[in-house]
Amino acid sequence: GAVVSQHPSRVICKSGTSVKIECRSLDFQATTMFWYRQFPKKSLMLMATSNEGSKATYEQGVEKDKFLINHASLTLSTLTVTSAHPEDSSFYICSFKTAGGGNEQFFGPGTRLTVL
Amino acid sequence: AQSVSQHNHHVILSEAASLELGCNYSYGGTVNLFWYVQYPGQHLQLLLKYFSGDPLVKGIKGFEAEFIKSKFSFNLRKPSVQWSDTAEYFCAVNAWTGTASKLTFGTGTRLQVTL
Repeated sequence: GAVVSQHPSRVICKSGTSVKIECRSLDFQATTMFWYRQFPKKSLMLMATSNEGSKATYEQGVEKDKFLINHASLTLSTLTVTSAHPEDSSFYICSFKTAGGGNEQFFGPGTRLTVL
Repeated sequence: AQSVSQHNHHVILSEAASLELGCNYSYGGTVNLFWYVQYPGQHLQLLLKYFSGDPLVKGIKGFEAEFIKSKFSFNLRKPSVQWSDTAEYFCAVNAWTGTASKLTFGTGTRLQVTL
């Protein structure tokens, strides 16, 4: 299967700072990518969907000004959590979908964000 | 909007026992169905998927799932579990809303296999 990396794998920051998480597809070009959030012992919740070169589509209840998504290229997407607060602490997971790959998504290993 | 229900939140089995995890979804249109596994400290991995054709799908590590359209179900099975199957299992449904498709996950089932 396709390989997706995320960086950093773990980040601890102070309240009020901004954190950028990178997601890269290593061996394929992705036209669509997704950012999920996973709370402890809970399922993955879709935050936003983005297509390369266009603005992200956010799910209801997700603040687009707080969670900035930049789908810079076919192999890179970033999620910036702006002015992070303790309630933003979570596990953030990205995934890519390829143009010719049907509807299978390939997931990154996730980033554990802890806001103090 | 589609939704996915996993009825078993926490399952404890002894090694060699048979496993069946339930998954039901609510959506009337065409769907693609997935089971993902998340081992402790690792990322989501695809176990198996159903797009079309034979409703009995075989995946990796001896897992299989059966799509029963009339019951809106996609239950995961394994005849004999191993200790290494201890993990979180997520059922997911991809459905089309308008021109876009969206993957919706169930709440997950934590499987604990004891020796």
